[in-house]
Amino acid sequence: GAVVSQHPSRVICKSGTSVKIECRSLDFQATTMFWYRQFPKKSLMLMATSNEGSKATYEQGVEKDKFLINHASLTLSTLTVTSAHPEDSSFYICSASAIAGGLPDEQFFGPGTRLTVL
Amino acid sequence: ELKVEQNPLFLSMQEGKNYTIYCNYSTTSDRLYWYRQDPGKSLESLFVLLSNGAVKQEGRLMASLDTKARLSTLHITAAVHDLSATYFCAVPLYNTDKLIFGTGTRLQVFP
Repeated sequence: GAVVSQHPSRVICKSGTSVKIECRSLDFQATTMFWYRQFPKKSLMLMATSNEGSKATYEQGVEKDKFLINHASLTLSTLTVTSAHPEDSSFYICSASAIAGGLPDEQFFGPGTRLTVL
Repeated sequence: ELKVEQNPLFLSMQEGKNYTIYCNYSTTSDRLYWYRQDPGKSLESLFVLLSNGAVKQEGRLMASLDTKARLSTLHITAAVHDLSATYFCAVPLYNTDKLIFGTGTRLQVFP
């Protein structure tokens, strides 16, 4: 149980284009989904928190117009990197916490999406 | 501001040896999570420590939590190469559902 998927697992795009990453909770409904960014050999940095049907809450220093988050349902959140630049290249990981059962802050992590912007 | 620090950041150890990774955090929390990350992969949950004095063991790994000292340890017994990975601790930010991650400890086990 508590499986989270991400799609795509790897994407390469040209500078200036937009890329959408999907995060799905496969066998549970997620109250909250989180988006993290991880640079090589570094820790995870929380980018934003999203709840179904409401606007995402972004962490300090994260541009909300660049990283668009939509949480359309209790099982799907999307992160769109708009007008991507090489410095946006990173490993993006989503996580989800369940509505019922488990701890309120226990998160289940997706497999990650490796974004490379040329 | 909650800060979570791990020590050491990098650990190279010989197979068969024992070692401990430390995780210190700066504000009150009654629980802590440990994760493993292999290169190019996402996080794998190892332990959830729910209270002061909690101790959990799985195979060659044992984790403990001292909420008074704001310290958790991850002890490795008789290391094997398969344990080579990066280990993260994470602490919930008080009164939120956010997790703050430690700096990570990269473990390399050699023959």
